[in-house]
Amino acid sequence: EAQVTQNPRYLITVTGKKLTVTCSQNMNHEYMSWYRQDPGLGLRQIYYSMNVEVTDKGDVPEGYKVSRKEKRNFPLILESPSPNQTSLYFCASSSRIEANQPQHFGDGTRLSIL
Amino acid sequence: GEDVEQSLFLSVREGDSSVINCTYTDSSSTYLYWYKQEPGAGLQLLTYIFSNMDMKQDQRLTVLLNKKDKHLSLRIADTQTGDSAIYFCAERPDTGRRALTFGSGTRLQVQP
Repeated sequence: EAQVTQNPRYLITVTGKKLTVTCSQNMNHEYMSWYRQDPGLGLRQIYYSMNVEVTDKGDVPEGYKVSRKEKRNFPLILESPSPNQTSLYFCASSSRIEANQPQHFGDGTRLSIL
Repeated sequence: GEDVEQSLFLSVREGDSSVINCTYTDSSSTYLYWYKQEPGAGLQLLTYIFSNMDMKQDQRLTVLLNKKDKHLSLRIADTQTGDSAIYFCAERPDTGRRALTFGSGTRLQVQP
């Protein structure tokens, strides 16, 4: 089954404790992206990757890192999480960056930073 | 930059039609999407339209695009309780990094 898998689905942690949210897709997609969803703001792009070893900042990259060592994986790293990073996070992928390629989304990861 | 706006809430009765509206600002060629998000789930792509089209129909869903006013609507015919969800309008330009810009979402409540 074609899917985008995020782990963990839920995490409660404390300020400053490094964490990683994994994202894996089994569709051989080149393009992958991370979004955060906050009430009243919709989804905002954090980082994206057009292919292996190619990553770039989205609209809200501060406080986040990503890596793309393999095509299927695109982890989101919070080196020193802060309470303003409490949010619902979505990973997405598509076969190419062209606008007519719809993005497939994971089920989300809810992070709470205390 | 790009901006996408939607109304926050819509309530309809089962069997009626629902119309969810969206406005966007990007003037370049762009794709416009409608996503559905059910509680606790990710975003499910419902349909999309390119900005050189006026209308697209897919079963119970009809997308209408007014390019002059940059207004997009999603009509759901014969709305069912299973259609209750948050609906996001999103646009993606045909140039640059082509990131999706989302509206804040419209919560559709279908009353039996």
